[in-house]
Formats: sequence, C-alpha cells, structure tokens
Amino acid sequence: EILMTQSPATLSVSPGERATLSCRTSQSVSNNLAWYQQRPGQAPRLLIYGAFTRATGIPARFSGSGSGTEFTLTISSLQSEDFALYYCQQYTNWPPWTFGQGTKVEVK
Amino acid sequence: QVQLQESGPGLVKPSQTLSLTCTVSGASVTSVDYYWSWVRQLPGKGLEWIGYIYQSGSSYSNPSLNRRVMTSIDTSKNQFSLKLRSVTAADTAVYFCARERRIGGSGGYVDNWGQGTLVTVSS
Repeated sequence: EILMTQSPATLSVSPGERATLSCRTSQSVSNNLAWYQQRPGQAPRLLIYGAFTRATGIPARFSGSGSGTEFTLTISSLQSEDFALYYCQQYTNWPPWTFGQGTKVEVK
Repeated sequence: QVQLQESGPGLVKPSQTLSLTCTVSGASVTSVDYYWSWVRQLPGKGLEWIGYIYQSGSSYSNPSLNRRVMTSIDTSKNQFSLKLRSVTAADTAVYFCARERRIGGSGGYVDNWGQGTLVTVSS
C-alpha cells in the first residue's frame, strides 16, 4: 500500500494570501494524483486530477504541480470559501487507492 | 447534472451486516467510462477507500476490510450497493458513494460524490 503524507497538518493563512500544500507518496505514483477539498459537513469535491489538471468548474486560483513522489497544491489568493480541509489521493497502485491524512487551511 | 444519493439504515448492531444503496441520476451505471465506488470517513479522521464495482459486475475491495465487503450493481434501477459484514464499532463512519473515473482499465479519481450518510454501529 502506498503511504501518503500531507504537510502541514494545519496551515494558517490570511484571506488574499497564497497557500501551499504538500503531498508526498512512499513510492512513485507518476502523475496519478488528485486533490480534493472538503468543507465541514460536506462531501469532498474534486479539485485537481492528473497532478495538475483542474476539474470542471474549479477556479484558476487552484493549481497543482509535481510528479513521482512530491506534489503541491497552490491556492494563489485565498477566498473565504477556500478555508477547508484538503486531501491528496493516489490512483496508481490498487488495491487500495489511498488518501493523505489531510491539511486544514484555517484563517490566520 | 450527476447526482448520487446514499440510502440505508443509520444504525446497525455489532456483528450484523451494514447495507447501503446508492441511487444515481444524471448518469448511467452501465457507462464503460466509470467505476462506482464506496469511500468512508471515520469520525474526525481521513478518507478510506472501501471498494468499487464496474458495470460488468467485476469488483475490487480494500484488503484491510478482511473480505467483509460485497458490492453489487442493479442496472435496471441505476443503483449500486454495499454490504459490509460482521461490523464493529470501528466501522462507525460516514459512508460516501462515488463515481470514479476509469483510467486505463482501472479506477482513478472520484469526480462525483454522494452527500454521505452516517452509519453508527451500536447495540
């Protein structure tokens, strides 16, 4: 099973600032990595797949980068609705697909 | 617009079987482009993949669940289902059904999620 490590666990950012979230995998997943946003009480929402491709309807302030074992999700200018939990997920090695433990982006 | 909706009991007794159904609208479970999945979120914790099923009936489940998982698909009702046998309190979680993009003959990322349903295992 591929282990996923997200950092930091909590990121405190002021609205309008940039947020950079990291995801590391225990072995290469090529670019088979997705990012999800989860707001309290809601289901996750797909943001990025293929490491850098934005899902339908996702604003351009969200961008993904990386390949192999190191990945980054960047939110260029945080809006109020962006304060949430973010998860990465690999889909190169089944079973099972695995998720990171999440990064909480909170208001500084 | 694709919508997925979970249904089933919110309370299950220990050692019994958890049963959930997901009703899909705006898409067909017979699509060759998608798998139909179950993911759970333990209280205050992250996400855990349970398994998925394809329109052909082929399925895969997470080995960590010790072969307690059974999934099925009903194309006539555009639904798919999950059964988790011999549940314990550790299976208390929010259960999500999901549509998973098929990539190269295997599953991939989830592009649509149900709202989730809390299932509590307690006597």
